[in-house]
Amino acid sequence: DAKTTQPTSMDCAEGRAANLPCNHSTISGNEYVYWYRQIHSQGPQYIIHGLKNNETNEMASLIITEDRKSSTLILPHATLRDTAVYYCIVRAMDSNYQLIWGAGTKLIIKP
Amino acid sequence: DTGVSQNPRHKITKRGQNVTFRCDPISEHNRLYWYRQTLGQGPEFLTYFQNEAQLEKSRLLSDRFSAERPKGSFSTLEIQRTEQGDSAMYLCASSLGTGGPTRETQYFGPGTRLLVL
Repeated sequence: DAKTTQPTSMDCAEGRAANLPCNHSTISGNEYVYWYRQIHSQGPQYIIHGLKNNETNEMASLIITEDRKSSTLILPHATLRDTAVYYCIVRAMDSNYQLIWGAGTKLIIKP
Repeated sequence: DTGVSQNPRHKITKRGQNVTFRCDPISEHNRLYWYRQTLGQGPEFLTYFQNEAQLEKSRLLSDRFSAERPKGSFSTLEIQRTEQGDSAMYLCASSLGTGGPTRETQYFGPGTRLLVL
């Protein structure tokens, strides 16, 4: 599975959109981009996944560039409860069953 | 609550003791995964089950570690002769199975935090 690169940390003001970037320049055609987050001392929480089209659900939007070498997770109206470590993972289906995690981005939402 | 559950949530033990953790996956999920997470790091894969069959084990899973899923439902992870280096968060996840990204999405439990003194 391809590796990802994320900034170590980011700040965002409460109520604003939080945009979390992820580089995955070696992504293969059959690999999906997954995002999880982990609030302190809790298990990781699934957010969203996508292949090449932009995706949106009740939690977030995922924007994947046309060349698929990078993506951005958007939390449209960040709240204090969105403070967490956000992980971007790329994974092929029906092959490697395990998720390979980097260090993620520590997102701090400030009042 | 129909999410993944893990027990206990916290465990403190002395070096050399054995510990056992339990994971109850989301019902109808036939895949179950164990991960370990140390402070400041992302989770590391340990092992996974398809129904009751243990299909893969990481090299991180030394012979002191054993995992079972006897009836294809709940799973246990046992660590024998614990060492201080075993101190970590042990996470369990489950997924429906194979057949596309939605079915293969892993959902995690709250974890069991182990401290070996």
